[in-house]
Amino acid sequence: DAKTTQPTSMDCAEGRAANLPCNHSTISGNEYVYWYRQIHSQGPQYIIHGLKNNETNEMASLIITEDRKSSTLILPHATLRDTAVYYCIVSYTGANSKLTFGKGITLSVRP
Amino acid sequence: DARVTQTPRHKVTEMGQEVTMRCQPILGHNTVFWYRQTMMQGLELLAYFRNRAPLDDSGMPKDRFSAEMPDATLATLKIQPSEPRDSAVYFCASGLPHGLSYEQYFGPGTRLTVT
Repeated sequence: DAKTTQPTSMDCAEGRAANLPCNHSTISGNEYVYWYRQIHSQGPQYIIHGLKNNETNEMASLIITEDRKSSTLILPHATLRDTAVYYCIVSYTGANSKLTFGKGITLSVRP
Repeated sequence: DARVTQTPRHKVTEMGQEVTMRCQPILGHNTVFWYRQTMMQGLELLAYFRNRAPLDDSGMPKDRFSAEMPDATLATLKIQPSEPRDSAVYFCASGLPHGLSYEQYFGPGTRLTVT
């Protein structure tokens, strides 16, 4: 699986958009980009995934660059409950194969 | 609301004792994963099963750890003998067959402390 790099931490104000970047320059053509998050003392939670096109669901939006070497997770209106560690992961299938978690990015949402 | 369940949620034991952690995957999920999380190493995969058969246990210390799936509703992770360095949170996750879903569902974890 391709490796990802993320900033260590970032913060944003409650109600504002949080844009979390991720670099995955060695991604291969059939690897997906996944985002998970882990709220303190809980198990990781799936957020969203994508292959080439931008994706949106009820939790977030995922923007993947055209060359697929980087992506951005967008939480459109961050709340205090979004404070968590966010992991960007590259994987072939996700549900059916292992996920390699890096250190992730700690997002702190301030009131 | 289907969830992965894990028992016990917390376990404190003395060095040298056997520890058994249990996981009930979501009904219908055919892949089960065991992950371990420590401050130093972060989240790392120990082993995983597909259709109850072990696929990869390369992340697991073989001399003291063992993972099994006696049936489709139960996965177990055993440590014998336990050591202080095994202190961690152990997560179980499950997933549907490829093509039906892309999400792994994680349980709440078992927090293990070995003194």
